[in-house]
Amino acid sequence: AQSVTQPDIHITVSEGASLELRCNYSYGATPYLFWYVQSPGQGLQLLLKYFSGDTLVQGIKGFEAEFKRSQSSFNLRKPSVHWSDAAEYFCAVGAAMRFGAGTRLTVKP
Amino acid sequence: NAGVMQNPRHLVRRRGQEARLRCSPMKGHSHVYWYRQLPEEGLKFMVYLQKENIIDESGMPKERFSAEFPKEGPSILRIQQVVRGDSAAYFCASSPRGTGVAEAFFGQGTRLTVV
Repeated sequence: AQSVTQPDIHITVSEGASLELRCNYSYGATPYLFWYVQSPGQGLQLLLKYFSGDTLVQGIKGFEAEFKRSQSSFNLRKPSVHWSDAAEYFCAVGAAMRFGAGTRLTVKP
Repeated sequence: NAGVMQNPRHLVRRRGQEARLRCSPMKGHSHVYWYRQLPEEGLKFMVYLQKENIIDESGMPKERFSAEFPKEGPSILRIQQVVRGDSAAYFCASSPRGTGVAEAFFGQGTRLTVV
C-alpha cells in the first residue's frame, strides 16, 4: 500500500537558517513524489515533484528535495528560510497523491 | 484560465441533511481528486475520477459518501445524512492528465460544518 510518513509535526527555525523537512514513503515501485505547501486557510501549492531521472529536484521558492531510494526518503530542503515560508508542508506519493500528516513550519525572527 | 473552483466555500448543514460539494476543474482538465482535511490533520485521499469514471475510490467511506464527474459540469462530492464527524475541509484538485505527467492544481476548499 502507498503511504507517507512525515515524522516531524512541528518545526521551528530562525529566519535565515537552513531547513530540512523529512518525508518517508512506502510504495511498491518507483514512486511519484510531491511536496506541497499550504498557507493558513488556503489551498495547496505544488513546490516540486519527482517522477524519474535526476534524484535532486529543484522547485519553486528556492526549495529542493532529494529522492533516496535506499532510505525511502524524499526530504525537502531550503538553504535559507524566509519569514514568508511559515506554513504547513505536505509530502505526497503516488498517482492519486496520498498525503502525509504534514509538518507545520514556524519561522522565528 | 481560472483556477480550480470549489463552491460553496462554506457550507453549514444540520445532522441528517445532505451536503453537495462542487468542484469545477481548470479548463482542459479531465482528472479530479477529492481530499478531506480534518482540523489539525493532513489531507486524506478520498477518490480519484477521470471524466465519467471512478479510477480509485479506496479512500471513500463505504456509506453515505459518493462522487461523480459527469461529461458536462462540475465534479460533485455528495454526503448523505451528514453527522458531526463529517465536519472538515474538503479539497479537490484537477490535472489535465495523470499526476505522473502533469501537475495537479488545488481549489480553495469547502469548509463543511455540521451542527
